[in-house]
Amino acid sequence: AQSVTQLGSHVSVSEGALVLLRCNYSSSVPPYLFWYVQYPNQGLQLLLKYTTGATLVKGINGFEAEFKKSETSFHLTKPSAHMSDAAEYFCAVTLGGSNDYKLSFGAGTTVTVRA
Amino acid sequence: NAGVTQTPKFQVLKTGQSMTLQCAQDMNHNSMYWYRQDPGMGLRLIYYSASEGTTDKGEVPNGYNVSRLNKREFSLRLESAAPSQTSVYFCASRGQVANYGYTFGSGTRLTVV
Repeated sequence: AQSVTQLGSHVSVSEGALVLLRCNYSSSVPPYLFWYVQYPNQGLQLLLKYTTGATLVKGINGFEAEFKKSETSFHLTKPSAHMSDAAEYFCAVTLGGSNDYKLSFGAGTTVTVRA
Repeated sequence: NAGVTQTPKFQVLKTGQSMTLQCAQDMNHNSMYWYRQDPGMGLRLIYYSASEGTTDKGEVPNGYNVSRLNKREFSLRLESAAPSQTSVYFCASRGQVANYGYTFGSGTRLTVV
């Protein structure tokens, strides 16, 4: 079965600084990987996804993530944090090619941005 | 706007009461899912429906039942609510192509006292 580990439940960054959120996965077959963002009292919004092809994927709001098979990682980055990036971020994995495509989520990382 | 609609948004129940959480999507998606979100645990799958007429258990199904009423609607029922079911519940749907990801509703915040 697939699983996801997000390193760090809370990350605090200064406005304008690099945002780095770590995600490692385990899967016995090629995975599909996703990052979602959740703003307070809202549902989850897709930031970006990796399925096949280019390993560096770009998403909304200036975020990007790189799939590294050798490290089983899919870390999320943004070069310069903005106050509006304060939210909770979830990494998720599903098995490519399976029939039900259930998503498994990490525990989440809460990002706070300091002025 | 196209998307996933959940009702109600908030609910307080007494222990032992029952209720049904409603979910509807208008994107003609085949698959629908119910998750619960608890602090520090991410989202955990309760039940899912890969297609109309089928339902399957997820990671934490105990205490819940589901009904896939038609292609659009997927309801979650708590027959006898317990304080451990206090959580935020999210419904999601997905089209036929897995790499499109899921579309989530805005959630139902349930408190059982």
